[in-house]
Amino acid sequence: EDKVVQSPLSLVVHEGDTVTLNCSYEVTNFRSLLWYKQEKKAPTFLFMLTSSGIEKKSGRLSSILDKKELFSILNITATQTGDSAVYLCAVEAISSGSARQLTFGSGTQLTVLP
Amino acid sequence: NAGVTQTPKFQVLKTGQSMTLQCAQDMNHNSMYWYRQDPGMGLRLIYYSASEGTTDKGEVPNGYNVSRLNKREFSLRLESAAPSQTSVYFCASRDNRNQPQHFGDGTRLSIL
Repeated sequence: EDKVVQSPLSLVVHEGDTVTLNCSYEVTNFRSLLWYKQEKKAPTFLFMLTSSGIEKKSGRLSSILDKKELFSILNITATQTGDSAVYLCAVEAISSGSARQLTFGSGTQLTVLP
Repeated sequence: NAGVTQTPKFQVLKTGQSMTLQCAQDMNHNSMYWYRQDPGMGLRLIYYSASEGTTDKGEVPNGYNVSRLNKREFSLRLESAAPSQTSVYFCASRDNRNQPQHFGDGTRLSIL
């Protein structure tokens, strides 16, 4: 059974702090790892990672994948109150029916205080 | 850009009632998905449709049925709602290239 574990479950920081969110996984037929940000409604896409060691960056957010150790991290520098959200990690794998499926972790609730 | 549209946004049902959640996407995506999200848990896959005319079970299919009506629409039906099905339901779609899934805003369903 595919498994995705995120840590910590929740995190409270002050504006300007840097945070690191963790995601470890055990899946068969791995294809990619994705990070989503979820505020009140739909998860919104942040990053898709397929290759080890290549950092993806978007503004203050960055992420990297280690396919040997089976984990990924999401870094947020100079946090702002608008970064407060649940951050979801998901791993995409090929199912027995050849379709791609996502398995999600339970998420990290990030709260950024002013 | 509408993206993925879900209706209704909220619904309250009594145990035993039936209900269909609607999902439509306007991005010409081949694959569509239904998830449920419960407090403290990530999204869990209920059913998916890799292409028009096909559907497959996900991790938690019991108590649900789906219909891929056409390429745009993928509905989720609860034939006899149970309190354990109280949840937020998300629909998603993606094309068949190496692209992420796009999510709708969700349907918050309460079963009393």
